[in-house]
Amino acid sequence: KQEVTQIPAALSVPEGENLVLNCSFTDSAIYNLQWFRQDPGKGLTSLLLIQSSQREQTSGRLNASLDKSSGRSTLYIAASQPGDSATYLCAVGDRANAGKSTFGDGTTLTVKP
Amino acid sequence: KAGVTQTPRYLIKTRGQQVTLSCSPISGHRSVSWYQQTPGQGLQFLFEYFSETQRNKGNFPGRFSGRQFSNSRSEMNVSTLELGDSALYLCASSLDGQTNQPQHFGDGTRLSIL
Repeated sequence: KQEVTQIPAALSVPEGENLVLNCSFTDSAIYNLQWFRQDPGKGLTSLLLIQSSQREQTSGRLNASLDKSSGRSTLYIAASQPGDSATYLCAVGDRANAGKSTFGDGTTLTVKP
Repeated sequence: KAGVTQTPRYLIKTRGQQVTLSCSPISGHRSVSWYQQTPGQGLQFLFEYFSETQRNKGNFPGRFSGRQFSNSRSEMNVSTLELGDSALYLCASSLDGQTNQPQHFGDGTRLSIL
């Protein structure tokens, strides 16, 4: 059974800092890994999707990496802004079960002005 | 392009009642997945539908059911509601759930059981 862990559970940084969020998973036979952000009371916004054959994906100030052999992914946020404050979730896609993702509990990020 | 639409946004029910939630996927998306989000359990997979067929199911009791219509819209039903069913119910759509396309989520339905 796939288990996804995100550390730390909460992170507070001053504006302008670069930061890294971590995601680890127990079963390396993944289909893909997707990073989301969730604002309070809202649904999930897709940030980046990394296919199992890829090592990283970039979008603007965000860069996500994937190391299947070690069961880890990182989300790097450059030059953080207060608007980046949200909960960040990683989700691992299951090759054997279409449409199913296993989620971590998230990292709640606060960027202070 | 319109995103995933979930209705209603908020619902208040009492124990023992039943409820139906609706999800309209992004146009062209045929896979719809449902998740339950609670503070204690996080996001948990309920089930996934494609072409009006349930392809996968999570570990939830039979009180949780769903269906998908020919236009890919999906409904989720919960019968005999319990206090523990209070949660944010999220649906996600993707092209077909199997190609490497991202899942897109709606804003959810917040269900409160009194």
